[in-house]
Amino acid sequence: GIQVEQSPPDLILQEGANSTLRCNFSDSVNNLQWFHQNPWGQLINLFYIPSGTKQNGRLSATTVATERYSLLYISSSQTTDSGVYFCAVPTYGGATNKLIFGTGTLLAVQP
Amino acid sequence: EPEVTQTPSHQVTQMGQEVILHCVPISNHLYFYWYRQILGQKVEFLVSFYNNEISEKSEIFDDQFSVERPDGSNFTLKIRSTKLEDSAMYFCASRTTGLGEQFFGPGTRLTVL
Repeated sequence: GIQVEQSPPDLILQEGANSTLRCNFSDSVNNLQWFHQNPWGQLINLFYIPSGTKQNGRLSATTVATERYSLLYISSSQTTDSGVYFCAVPTYGGATNKLIFGTGTLLAVQP
Repeated sequence: EPEVTQTPSHQVTQMGQEVILHCVPISNHLYFYWYRQILGQKVEFLVSFYNNEISEKSEIFDDQFSVERPDGSNFTLKIRSTKLEDSAMYFCASRTTGLGEQFFGPGTRLTVL
């Protein structure tokens, strides 16, 4: 099945710094989602990004499907950005399209 | 904005007890999912449900698990006889048609003692 790897596994930033998180996937995909898991464990939808670039405030994401990767950019990081960031891609077949999650990047933003 | 809701937010149970986790998907969505996340690990697929039947289930989803859509709005996950290793965060998700975005609920944290 499709493999999804994320890097780096851990990242520590000072407040105000910028960062880039990467998601690599082993097979062709038609869409990709980025999530933020907050310290309470909730999964927050960040982006649904099949290809191209999307921006939402200080966050933006780019997916290059032909090269099998996606990037999540966080600018001017804040302590509330701390948590785990997951990317996920769907598998195909029948009526499922279940999501396969990556290994996650644990981000800690220090004041 | 419509959202997926889950109750309870936290459930504590004794080993061997039955638990039912509740989800209300977004109202016009047709595909429903349960995922699980053991503490410190990544999110894993459990089961998908479409047209009132299971469309796919993972190896984790054994005979102790079942899902039901008892009415037009609720989607439940039942664990018949809980084990210690069932302790995890359980997420419900839903989507419309095609290859659309999946929307996740806030999760239920299940603790089995």
